[in-house]
Amino acid sequence: DAGITQSPRHKVTETGTPVTLRCHQTENHRYMYWYRQDPGHGLRLIHYSYGVKDTDKGEVSDGYSVSRSKTEDFLLTLESATSSQTSVYFCAISESSSGANVLTFGAGSRLTVL
Amino acid sequence: AQSVTQLDSQVPVFEEAPVELRCNYSSSVSVYLFWYVQYPNQGLQLLLKYLSGSTLVKGINGFEAEFNKSQTSFHLRKPSVHISDTAEYFCAVSANTGGFKTIFGAGTRLFVKA
Repeated sequence: DAGITQSPRHKVTETGTPVTLRCHQTENHRYMYWYRQDPGHGLRLIHYSYGVKDTDKGEVSDGYSVSRSKTEDFLLTLESATSSQTSVYFCAISESSSGANVLTFGAGSRLTVL
Repeated sequence: AQSVTQLDSQVPVFEEAPVELRCNYSSSVSVYLFWYVQYPNQGLQLLLKYLSGSTLVKGINGFEAEFNKSQTSFHLRKPSVHISDTAEYFCAVSANTGGFKTIFGAGTRLFVKA
């Protein structure tokens, strides 16, 4: 997990409350990603960023928004959490946009929505 | 679009036995292929990757994988496993053109028994 810090690592919240997860990197990589991991589904891309203020949707973006005001920080927000958003969330970074790029992952944030 | 199928959700094996974790992919364009490993309560880390060249790729911890274009497979092997190899393994694919989204399989949980 060198160079990537996710916070909080664990969170329990109630349905309907807003939640923000933070990803902080010290690698100065341009590309940052948010994935969710669910049993039987592997990792699915929620949103990604290709620069400050430049973001785009992934395959499971409904109910999530992101922001990137600085190179090092990528925030994932659940505006009104639902039980279906209970999951483990991983942030990842990469140096380039090439398909050959290797993703470096954070340690994950486990979110439980009651 | 690309997709990845990991044919086994769980693979139990005794220590020092050989193991093969199977991965098939589909894509209309040329791809790059990856295996990532996730140890308990950690993020994913790269095990090995195939970008081009030799179809037999060696990775960390004694793992290797073989790219078979005709069978669209990228199976992971290790001749003798250790207890410490117990983890979840993810096969992943990304296109070599038109974007930088990595698609993950559902994962295979390898359980090494003493």
